[in-house]
Amino acid sequence: AQTVTQSQPEMSVQEAETVTLSCTYDTSENNYYLFWYKQPPSRQMILVIRQEAYKQQNATENRFSVNFQKAAKSFSLKISDSQLGDTAMYFCAFMKHGVEGNEKLTFGTGTRLTIIP
Amino acid sequence: NAGVTQTPKFRILKIGQSMTLQCTQDMNHNYMYWYRQDPGMGLKLIYYSVGAGITDKGEVPNGYNVSRSTTEDFPLRLELAAPSQTSVYFCASSYFQRGASTDTQYFGPGTRLTVL
Repeated sequence: AQTVTQSQPEMSVQEAETVTLSCTYDTSENNYYLFWYKQPPSRQMILVIRQEAYKQQNATENRFSVNFQKAAKSFSLKISDSQLGDTAMYFCAFMKHGVEGNEKLTFGTGTRLTIIP
Repeated sequence: NAGVTQTPKFRILKIGQSMTLQCTQDMNHNYMYWYRQDPGMGLKLIYYSVGAGITDKGEVPNGYNVSRSTTEDFPLRLELAAPSQTSVYFCASSYFQRGASTDTQYFGPGTRLTVL
């Protein structure tokens, strides 16, 4: 079974600064996907970024980027030029690649990020 | 294109009551999922469906039932509600095509359920 660990329950950073959220996972699979989801106070789960394990290049979406270290099983999220709207819970999630596609997301326990004005 | 919609947004049940949480998606996704999120925790999979007429258990299925009579709808039924089912429930959907990269799951806004 896969496990996802987020060791930072809470973080805070000043507006416009850069912050990195940590995530490690445990799996014996070689082909899988990793995701960061954002959950603002509205509770909506919003996809921030995804990474395919077979890709060596780190994924980037505007101010969001990841540092994917496959050998270390580490998948951190970097938020640059942080904004007040980035305040939310952030969940790291793992999904192994299956032929039938019926693979499930395994979530970490989340990191509560607060951006301070 | 509304995406994934869920009703109701909030509900309070008494112990032993039953209810159905509704989930509809208009993206023509073949895969649909139900998760629950307990306070301070990540989401856990309750049930999922890979197409109309096909459902399967996830990590925490006890106390729940699902059906998938159409591609769009995936209702979650709670029979004999218990306080342990107090949680936030999320429905999600994705599109899978054999041979293609796994698609992202898109989530509904959630239903907050309290059982007293």
